[in-house]
Amino acid sequence: EAQVTQNPRYLITVTGKKLTVTCSQNMNHEYMSWYRQDPGLGLRQIYYSMNVEVTDKGDVPEGYKVSRKEKRNFPLILESPSPNQTSLYFCASSLSPYRVGMNTEAFFGQGTRLTVV
Amino acid sequence: EDKVVQSPLSLVVHEGDTVTLNCSYEVTNFRSLLWYKQEKKAPTFLFMLTSSGIEKKSGRLSSILDKKELFSILNITATQTGDSAVYLCAVTSGATNKLIFGTGTLLAVQP
Repeated sequence: EAQVTQNPRYLITVTGKKLTVTCSQNMNHEYMSWYRQDPGLGLRQIYYSMNVEVTDKGDVPEGYKVSRKEKRNFPLILESPSPNQTSLYFCASSLSPYRVGMNTEAFFGQGTRLTVV
Repeated sequence: EDKVVQSPLSLVVHEGDTVTLNCSYEVTNFRSLLWYKQEKKAPTFLFMLTSSGIEKKSGRLSSILDKKELFSILNITATQTGDSAVYLCAVTSGATNKLIFGTGTLLAVQP
């Protein structure tokens, strides 16, 4: 089954304790991205990756890191989490937006609800 | 600055009503516009639109894009309580390769 898998689904942590949220897709997609969703602000892109070893900042990258060492995995790293990073996080993958004429819709993981106290 | 604006922010209708959701956008080098439905979990894909004037249809849902006026609408006919969700509009920028989302329209369908 084609899917995007995020782990964990729920996480409560303390300020300053490094954490990683994993994301894996089995569709051989080039494009992967991370979003956070907050009430009234919608989905905002944190980082995205066009392919292996290619990552770029989205609209709200501060406080986050990512890596793309393999095509299927795109972990999100919070080196020193703070309470303002409490949010619902989604990982998504799609074919490259340069694939003209093909369906390049994003497939989303089930979300990670992170609380930083 | 690239942006996507959806309206209304929320609406409440009764089963059987028809609703129209709006999405307007400003984006550098438009590539595509996508509609998603989000219930209590991850957004699920509805439509992708790249050409003006061509209606996409799936059951009671349909959508159309106007690239001259920079907007899209999502229509839902004969609404059902299962249509209650947040509907998200997103636009892909060919200049930045970003997918930019609007804040969504919360639709509540009452029995």
